[in-house]
Amino acid sequence: EAGVAQSPRYKIIEKRQSVAFWCNPISGHATLYWYQQILGQGPKLLIQFQNNGVVDDSQLPKDRFSAERLKGVDSTLKIQPAKLEDSAVYLCASSLDRYYEQYFGPGTRLTVT
Amino acid sequence: AQSVTQLGSHVSVSEGALVLLRCNYSSSVPPYLFWYVQYPNQGLQLLLKYTTGATLVKGINGFEAEFKKSETSFHLTKPSAHMSDAAEYFCAVSDREGSGNTPLVFGKGTRLSVIA
Repeated sequence: EAGVAQSPRYKIIEKRQSVAFWCNPISGHATLYWYQQILGQGPKLLIQFQNNGVVDDSQLPKDRFSAERLKGVDSTLKIQPAKLEDSAVYLCASSLDRYYEQYFGPGTRLTVT
Repeated sequence: AQSVTQLGSHVSVSEGALVLLRCNYSSSVPPYLFWYVQYPNQGLQLLLKYTTGATLVKGINGFEAEFKKSETSFHLTKPSAHMSDAAEYFCAVSDREGSGNTPLVFGKGTRLSVIA
């Protein structure tokens, strides 16, 4: 069974630029999560999708971050414009349904200069 | 809101020695508890979890953890460390909500080093 795929693995941008990350969850998984992991901290949930609907986006900085999961499968997380403090690893995870075990992708390491 | 405290950002043990990684949580009701491991440049992998039932939980790679309600703790242990255990370990908590649970809240992590 293929795991959660993420791309790109690494990205370096200048502040005020925009960037997008892509996630392909495990086939058949209804729930998809985006986490932000700042160096030295644990992952923090940004947004949770159930199929193509948003379940929880209370910690998503909506003035600059956006995410979508239009067909209930792949998802894209966008930052526009980026700030220095957005430098982090962005992890995508998926689960069979809302209350099941989460499987994590390898993450995208973003550096904002 | 629940929170997780992992005591010690870095733990170093000798190969073959006992591994003990500490985790305390704050929650008004017994939560769901998890330990994840993260190897360099990889995502998180579930080691073990406690939901209900037996308070001593066995996980993969020889790890186990014990839920102690009176101490609000869920410490992770392994009798004998192996070099391959060197990684970052995260404790996470999720509150019970209806028939399910709330989103995971993670601790800051403990980096385990194993010395030959």
